[in-house]
Amino acid sequence: NAGVTQTPKFQVLKTGQSMTLQCAQDMNHEYMSWYRQDPGMGLRLIHYSVGAGITDQGEVPNGYNVSRSTTEDFPLRLLSAAPSQTSVYFCASSYLGGGAITETQYFGPGTRLLVL
Amino acid sequence: AQKVTQAQTEISVVEKEDVTLDCVYETRDTTYYLFWYKQPPSGELVFLIRRNSFDEQNEISGRYSWNFQKSTSSFNFTITASQVVDSAVYFCALSENAGNNRKLIWGLGTSLAVNP
Repeated sequence: NAGVTQTPKFQVLKTGQSMTLQCAQDMNHEYMSWYRQDPGMGLRLIHYSVGAGITDQGEVPNGYNVSRSTTEDFPLRLLSAAPSQTSVYFCASSYLGGGAITETQYFGPGTRLLVL
Repeated sequence: AQKVTQAQTEISVVEKEDVTLDCVYETRDTTYYLFWYKQPPSGELVFLIRRNSFDEQNEISGRYSWNFQKSTSSFNFTITASQVVDSAVYFCALSENAGNNRKLIWGLGTSLAVNP
């Protein structure tokens, strides 16, 4: 199993540009999520999905869109990049335990994004 | 409200010392799960342990051990005979087993430096 994969590993954008961060998992996990990690602020949930066609907002969804057309893939779209979106982005996946997030989340290697 | 507090922001020890990382949580639920993750300088997030609220037995895995005490709402992590490779940021997280719960609650992490 490759686990959770993310591309690209590093990206530099100019303000106003758009881009998509890719995330894929091969563990047949129902739940997938995107976090951003900023110094001193821990991990903050951006969006999550509990299955194909089902997505919802996390704590910091503004400026980001997601979709889940397959179980395996969960891309994160930045519509118009801003310097405040400079961060490290992690994708994670897990099984759902009775519908709640009680199972172990497995993380991708992260994407470092710099917005100038 | 759910909350995870890792009061120690940074810890510095000398190799071979024992070190304990504290995690205190708040929850209204009787069924919940606690997690520890490690983030080494390379940046990936590595799962260490998952514990449910009904299992208060201490866990030992090599040099790592976890002390779960519901009476004090704590889930502390001890590294025995620390090594330089243990240098990392360690995160504690909480998930309530509520049917509609889709979010982990994360502590802000403790940065551990093990010096030779």
